[in-house]
Amino acid sequence: DSGVTQTPKHLITATGQRVTLRCSPRSGDLSVYWYQQSLDQGLQFLIQYYNGEERAKGNILERFSAQQFPDLHSELNLSSLELGDSALYFCASSVGQGVSSPLHFGNGTRLTVT
Amino acid sequence: GENVEQHPSTLSVQEGDSAVIKCTYSDSASNYFPWYKQELGKRPQLIIDIRSNVGEKKDQRIAVTLNKTAKHFSLHITETQPEDSAVYFCAATTSGYSTLTFGKGTMLLVSP
Repeated sequence: DSGVTQTPKHLITATGQRVTLRCSPRSGDLSVYWYQQSLDQGLQFLIQYYNGEERAKGNILERFSAQQFPDLHSELNLSSLELGDSALYFCASSVGQGVSSPLHFGNGTRLTVT
Repeated sequence: GENVEQHPSTLSVQEGDSAVIKCTYSDSASNYFPWYKQELGKRPQLIIDIRSNVGEKKDQRIAVTLNKTAKHFSLHITETQPEDSAVYFCAATTSGYSTLTFGKGTMLLVSP
């Protein structure tokens, strides 16, 4: 168990809808990272938060947004969903704001858009 | 931004053989290179990492080598076992060292 908790495990929704994915980092970790994993696409970095502030942005669509709350949990909001958004979404956490310390991944949320 | 290329995409070996997975990166400022193992349906897990001030690191049957001049690093698994079957991802830090860029993964299949 990595100590990173993601909910829900599975999510099935229709095109055009909006969903929220939740992540609680390991105790003591201040950084939260969101990654998208599609078939044959590896792990695509979306966004990072450190102690409540956005730290880095990757290939995140404008339809997607995220935030990190004072208790350090994070939420990833996906709106106007399209079929191509179907993927496994991972949250990871680390101690510092950089990645010189290892990333610990949660078990992911599998999103299916029908 | 950083670009990480990983080869091969699939690797099949017999139990007991060695396996080597290679990655190249583009950002000469990258200084941290972890490797993750992802079993089917599970989360990526860190198996070994190396920093730019070290050329090689070993942990039992796995080792990683880094060539900063050529900007490539490799994962070596010796005496492979069926439980080594998984997808392996290499990664490298991006400029600013805030995030990791991952390779597309190598599916390793170890046959008994």
